[in-house]
Amino acid sequence: DIVMSQSPLSLPVTPGEPASISCRSGRSLLHRNGNNYLEWYLQKPGQSPQLLIYLGSNRASGVPDRFSGSGSGTDFTLKISRVEAEDVGIYYCMQSLEAYSFGQGTKLEIK
Amino acid sequence: QITLKESSPTFVKPTETLTLTCSFSGFSLTTPGVGVGWIRQAPGKALEWLAIIYWDDSKRYNPSLKNRLTVAKDTSNNHVVLTMTDMDPVDAGTYFCARRLVIVDSYWFGPWGQGTPVTVSS
Repeated sequence: DIVMSQSPLSLPVTPGEPASISCRSGRSLLHRNGNNYLEWYLQKPGQSPQLLIYLGSNRASGVPDRFSGSGSGTDFTLKISRVEAEDVGIYYCMQSLEAYSFGQGTKLEIK
Repeated sequence: QITLKESSPTFVKPTETLTLTCSFSGFSLTTPGVGVGWIRQAPGKALEWLAIIYWDDSKRYNPSLKNRLTVAKDTSNNHVVLTMTDMDPVDAGTYFCARRLVIVDSYWFGPWGQGTPVTVSS
């Protein structure tokens, strides 16, 4: 099993300020084909999860460009350049190199 | 438009078998690179991946639950069924299904169903 660890677990942010979430995997997610098999999902309150980022750094269709994903191997980061009220929810990273496993989630709230 | 919807009994008793159905539309589970996965969420807890079935009928299971899970597809009726045996109160939560793409440059779960709540109690 590949264990995924996120930090922080709670993230209070002032609107307009940047935010950053770290995700670390127990094993490198970099495949020999050059892809990092790491995705980011956001679960807004009362909703199903929605895709934000795939293959480490590719923004999904319809996702605002204030969201960006970076990293390679075992260390990844999701950044929000300027947090808006609609960004509240729980953010999960998930690896898909070997089966699938999620991180513990990071709860973003507005200060 | 792609949609998925989960259905299940709301209540099951301990030791019983849970049968979950994912009914989907807008895509085919015979298309190469397509799968349907199951993910659950205990109240207030993180997402936990359970199982997945792909277009070629290959299947993968969460190792910690493998002995209790079986996933199957009915491509004629656009259904995927997940059974979980020996249910316990710790298995209570919301169960989601989601389409999975595993195509060159497209690897993601989406869209997701709305989820179906399951309570385990005698």
